[in-house]
Amino acid sequence: AQSVTQLDSQVPVFEEAPVELRCNYSSSVSVYLFWYVQYPNQGLQLLLKYLSGSTLVKGINGFEAEFNKSQTSFHLRKPSVHISDTAEYFCAVSGGDNTDKLIFGTGTRLQVFP
Amino acid sequence: GAGVSQTPSNKVTEKGKYVELRCDPISGHTALYWYRQSLGQGPEFLIYFQGTGAADDSGLPNDRFFAVRPEGSVSTLKIQRTERGDSAVYLCASSLSGGAREQFFGPGTRLTVL
Repeated sequence: AQSVTQLDSQVPVFEEAPVELRCNYSSSVSVYLFWYVQYPNQGLQLLLKYLSGSTLVKGINGFEAEFNKSQTSFHLRKPSVHISDTAEYFCAVSGGDNTDKLIFGTGTRLQVFP
Repeated sequence: GAGVSQTPSNKVTEKGKYVELRCDPISGHTALYWYRQSLGQGPEFLIYFQGTGAADDSGLPNDRFFAVRPEGSVSTLKIQRTERGDSAVYLCASSLSGGAREQFFGPGTRLTVL
């Protein structure tokens, strides 16, 4: 069975500071990895995804993530955050069957302070 | 073009009642997913449709939950004899097809069972 662990439930950070949101996964088969963002009162939006190839994936809004197979991690990073990045961030995994259903972590609340 | 839409946006019902939640996927998307997001948790997979058929319903919690997609487009999630524990945000997502493509999420229906 697949699972996702997001180690930090909340990450407070000041504007223009760098941030890393951690994600670890567990799977016995090859996986696809995703980061979604959920702004208040809005639906989930895809930030970036890793399917294959380069382990460094760039997404929207200046975010990037690195797939590390040996550490089973897919941490999300941004070198300089904005107030508008305040949101809930979810890491998700799929693969191993042909349904592409997503298994989500519990989420990390990123709070950016001025 | 229009994204995934869900109706109603909010539904309040009493314990024991029957409810229906509707999802309109993006036109042309053959894959449709239902997820449930409880407070403070990540979305949890319920059921996956490929076309008109439920290809994977392993996430439905019990036989009070049922979903249909009779014409391969609109889907309805049906909950019988609602319980307070069913209170959550029900999310619908669609994608072009299987194969780890991006899932596009709707804004969700917030169900409250009193």
